[in-house]
Amino acid sequence: QKEVEQDPGPLSVPEGAIVSLNCTYSNSAFQYFMWYRQYSRKGPELLMYTYSSGNKEDGRFTAQVDKSSKYISLFIRDSQPSDSATYLCAMINTGGFKTIFGAGTRLFVKA
Amino acid sequence: SQTIHQWPATLVQPVGSPLSLECTVEGTSNPNLYWYRQAAGRGLQLLFYSVGIGQISSEVPQNLSASRPQDRQFILSSKKLLLSDSGFYLCASAGGNYGYTFGSGTRLTVV
Repeated sequence: QKEVEQDPGPLSVPEGAIVSLNCTYSNSAFQYFMWYRQYSRKGPELLMYTYSSGNKEDGRFTAQVDKSSKYISLFIRDSQPSDSATYLCAMINTGGFKTIFGAGTRLFVKA
Repeated sequence: SQTIHQWPATLVQPVGSPLSLECTVEGTSNPNLYWYRQAAGRGLQLLFYSVGIGQISSEVPQNLSASRPQDRQFILSSKKLLLSDSGFYLCASAGGNYGYTFGSGTRLTVV
């Protein structure tokens, strides 16, 4: 079993839709949870960062962590064609040196 | 904020040829540095990480090596490339909040 599972998609939605991206994980030691956005032929960029369980909102983006279920989500409201990218979840335990990444979900937002 | 300089952006090399990819970091000192490889449609595979000058940890036994001759310089090398070394290579630097800053990547094609 992989430490982090993420559906690779692709996920295609119309402009303005609410997008839900998800990851599950198996290591209960993970404490820090990140979402990265990667445009084609570019390096990933850190989008959201949360510690432990709860929600965090930044503009149209909301990151949600449920440690009891080992499940994290990223919600995108009012999706735009510019949101079309691959979204990677990532996580690390306290004091760890190595972040574990999901495989990434490819998102297409159609105008 | 940190900036990662990575070059070249694209590289086509014959099988059996040597490789040297360089990564330099600006905006921080004594960072943890990482080399990742991303195959098409797959997640990020950690190849090497370094917590300081001359300190290299290898994650996957393979045809590649890494060196850190200076605090903000990280080099990925190979003496003889294999077809299986093709991929998208990313250098990353760890920030204070456990998130990474990535370079723009090098797309390597071994022919």
